[in-house]
Amino acid sequence: GAVVSQHPSWVICKSGTSVKIECRSLDFQATTMFWYRQFPKQSLMLMATSNEGSKATYEQGVEKDKFLINHASLTLSTLTVTSAHPEDSSFYICSAKGLAGRNEQFFGPGTRLTVL
Amino acid sequence: GESVGLHLPTLSVQEGDNSIINCAYSNSASDYFIWYKQESGKGPQFIIDIRSNMDKRQGQRVTVLLNKTVKHLSLQIAATQPGDSAVYFCAEGYTGGFKTIFGAGTRLFVKA
Repeated sequence: GAVVSQHPSWVICKSGTSVKIECRSLDFQATTMFWYRQFPKQSLMLMATSNEGSKATYEQGVEKDKFLINHASLTLSTLTVTSAHPEDSSFYICSAKGLAGRNEQFFGPGTRLTVL
Repeated sequence: GESVGLHLPTLSVQEGDNSIINCAYSNSASDYFIWYKQESGKGPQFIIDIRSNMDKRQGQRVTVLLNKTVKHLSLQIAATQPGDSAVYFCAEGYTGGFKTIFGAGTRLFVKA
């Protein structure tokens, strides 16, 4: 149980285009989902927290107009990188929280974004 | 975003030896701590957690120690195996809160 999937697992796009990444909780309802970005050989940096049906809360320094987050249902959150540039190339990881009485997060497998 | 974006320190151990990975956390209000394992190209996997009302918790081959006085957390892996080679992150949060903040991470190499 507690499986989180991401789609796609990797994507290559041209500079200036937008890319959507999906995060799904497969066997539980996720009241809260988190989006992280990870550069090579670095730690995970929290970008934003999204709660179903409400606006995402972005961390300081993360542009909300560039990284659009939609948590449309209790099992799906999407991250759209708008007008992507090479510096947006990174490993994007989502996690989901929501099991009753459990504080832990369950992580997706990550999405590798390469912007040319 | 919060967290420390440092290049990863490395720990190299011989197969069969015990490994100790250390972590310093930053927020005195944190009362929930987690260790994650991340293999290359994958998302983090939960290993073990501990709440601030405990100073030690054991799992299968792993032990987490918490020293709140100096805000220090450690992960001990007994009889380290090649499959333990990965990057290990500690993370901190607080009960009832939402955010989990990751530490810098340590890369563990296990030599056969």
